[in-house]
Amino acid sequence: QQPVQSPQAVILREGEDAVINCSSSKALYSVHWYRQKHGEAPVFLMILLKGGEQKGHEKISASFNEKKQQSSLYLTASQLSYSGTYFCGTDIPGAGSYQLTFGKGTKLSVIP
Amino acid sequence: NAGVTQTPKFQVLKTGQSMTLQCAQDMNHEYMSWYRQDPGMGLRLIHYSVGAGITDQGEVPNGYNVSRSTTEDFPLRLLSAAPSQTSVYFCASALVGGTGLPQHFGDGTRLSIL
Repeated sequence: QQPVQSPQAVILREGEDAVINCSSSKALYSVHWYRQKHGEAPVFLMILLKGGEQKGHEKISASFNEKKQQSSLYLTASQLSYSGTYFCGTDIPGAGSYQLTFGKGTKLSVIP
Repeated sequence: NAGVTQTPKFQVLKTGQSMTLQCAQDMNHEYMSWYRQDPGMGLRLIHYSVGAGITDQGEVPNGYNVSRSTTEDFPLRLLSAAPSQTSVYFCASALVGGTGLPQHFGDGTRLSIL
């Protein structure tokens, strides 16, 4: 079951904040976040494991609420370099994190 | 420091032809995987491997074969190409550990089936 990401697209001005959500109908063990710029390979941002721990990567952080089966990615004081499509990947129950199911992505555009 | 290398970068095939997409990594990662990415979709797992001699199916394995004879290489074979296999293919690798699998992706192979 593919996780659902929202919003599908967002446009920000430099310095603004954004939140990207990733929801699953299944119980999760982990949530993975990647960013992909147009025409390039996805780049790993962070993994959140069961436990609700919040992690950070530069000015990008994320949380994982296992009870709600949801993760949120927080981008603060956005920079032009943050533009791209953000994907969350969730593990398949029983298969662990060896098999990830990715959402359809959230396209983030940061403008001057 | 090459990371994950995929060849070729672009390929056009005719329906029914077979071909092998190559993937090599130099990071001594146990885990390797193949994904396809179609417009408007996320990444879908085709096959993966957790070590030499060990492979398993992902979400969309039909029409594809893999083998893992060495830690470094994980080729993906299209047995009889179909237009539905037109896609961008990404190979990824990761170190297996207790903190999940942070995957390193190759630059992709853009494949068109006519």
